[in-house]
Amino acid sequence: DQQVKQNSPSLSVQEGRISILNCDYTNSMFDYFLWYKKYPAEGPTFLISISSIKDKNEDGRFTVFLNKSAKHLSLHIVPSQPGDSAVYFCAAWGGGADGLTFGKGTHLIIQP
Amino acid sequence: NAGVTQTPKFQVLKTGQSMTLQCAQDMNHNSMYWYRQDPGMGLRLIYYSASEGTTDKGEVPNGYNVSRLNKREFSLRLESAAPSQTSVYFCASSEVEGGNTIYFGEGSWLTVV
Repeated sequence: DQQVKQNSPSLSVQEGRISILNCDYTNSMFDYFLWYKKYPAEGPTFLISISSIKDKNEDGRFTVFLNKSAKHLSLHIVPSQPGDSAVYFCAAWGGGADGLTFGKGTHLIIQP
Repeated sequence: NAGVTQTPKFQVLKTGQSMTLQCAQDMNHNSMYWYRQDPGMGLRLIYYSASEGTTDKGEVPNGYNVSRLNKREFSLRLESAAPSQTSVYFCASSEVEGGNTIYFGEGSWLTVV
């Protein structure tokens, strides 16, 4: 059963507007969450993370929100730029030796 | 600043052939991983090595073997390639044993015909 779910395979947003990518998880042992960005023909690159002791982490145009009670996190990109068009993976870590558990990804398309 | 380097970038194999994907990291990380990415499936863990000298199965290990040659290198071997192993393979590493932020290589595109 999928422990990290990204229910939107794709999302289209106008340039300059806010992009909101959502992620849900089921495993209450997860205590560290990350977002990765992936361009075609490249490896995923780390974008931003949040520990379970926080509910918000901000880095420039990117903000991640964590709602532990709902087991939900979201990535906000403001303002959205053409270079933000990519696949975004949500990932979670529960302290195990096997690293991160990934969602299936959301393809973000920024339209001019 | 190389980070995680994997070779080859592209490979076409015939069913039944064997090959090894090579991976090396220069960040002195303890843990290394092999993932595969398939359309609509996200990133799935094949094998991992939490530290030098140890390897363990991930979510989808069947048809693969790995070797943690030393702290820097972690190879993935397909003994008898099958069309179902057509995929993009990513090697990754992390400083902390088992996580938490991992860094990926550029990927290896493998087609089995």
